Amino acid sequence: QVQLVESGGGVVQPGRSLRLSCAASGFTFSSYGMHWVRQAPGKGLEWVAVISYDGSNKYYADSVKGRFTISRDNSKNTLYLQMNSLGSEDTAVYYCAKKDTAMVFYYCALDVWGQGTTVTVSS
Amino acid sequence: DIQMTQSPSSLSASVGDGVTITCRASLGISNYLAWFQQKPGKAPKSLIYAASSLQSGVPSKFSGSGSGTDFTLTISSLQPEDFATYYCQQYNSYPYTFGQGTKLEIK
Repeated sequence: QVQLVESGGGVVQPGRSLRLSCAASGFTFSSYGMHWVRQAPGKGLEWVAVISYDGSNKYYADSVKGRFTISRDNSKNTLYLQMNSLGSEDTAVYYCAKKDTAMVFYYCALDVWGQGTTVTVSS
Repeated sequence: DIQMTQSPSSLSASVGDGVTITCRASLGISNYLAWFQQKPGKAPKSLIYAASSLQSGVPSKFSGSGSGTDFTLTISSLQPEDFATYYCQQYNSYPYTFGQGTKLEIK
């Protein structure tokens, strides 16, 4: 079955960096675009970033642009989120999610989500 | 960016009731609208895509409608497991945006 497992979360000081990973299985990872979505404590869902199936297209939320980088390694079936210059506003559960249509970047929904990894930015 | 506004923000209902949640987009998004269910401490679950199509395995008690700027999610015959928070999301354009959520509570 399709499975996404995030890792790499933890407690980090303001201004530092962290890299999240999302290990995919049960589907042809290299054919699907992937997203990161986050949720601050007690708050709603916030879309963070997307990457196309081949890594050639990426978009970011304004709140993370210039600080976060989404990438993927299709040989390892793994999605990444490099987070730099972290601030308290980045404290959240981070989810990876899969697009529902292969080889398509626009106009396709998210279908499967991982269980999330928690990032806490605190001194 | 396209703003998504859900109403109500919270809703109380009894087991067996039916409810409707509304989602409005600040710009027309055709039918590029999804609905998600989230229970406390859990990841969101995809319910509906393309405004009215059920994801695989989602029971038919969930239904969606709408196009353009106005959308609804209807849940019939509420059961205890349906009490959760529901989010709409537009995928017409990047950045994708979510509604603020509707918390459905047991009366």
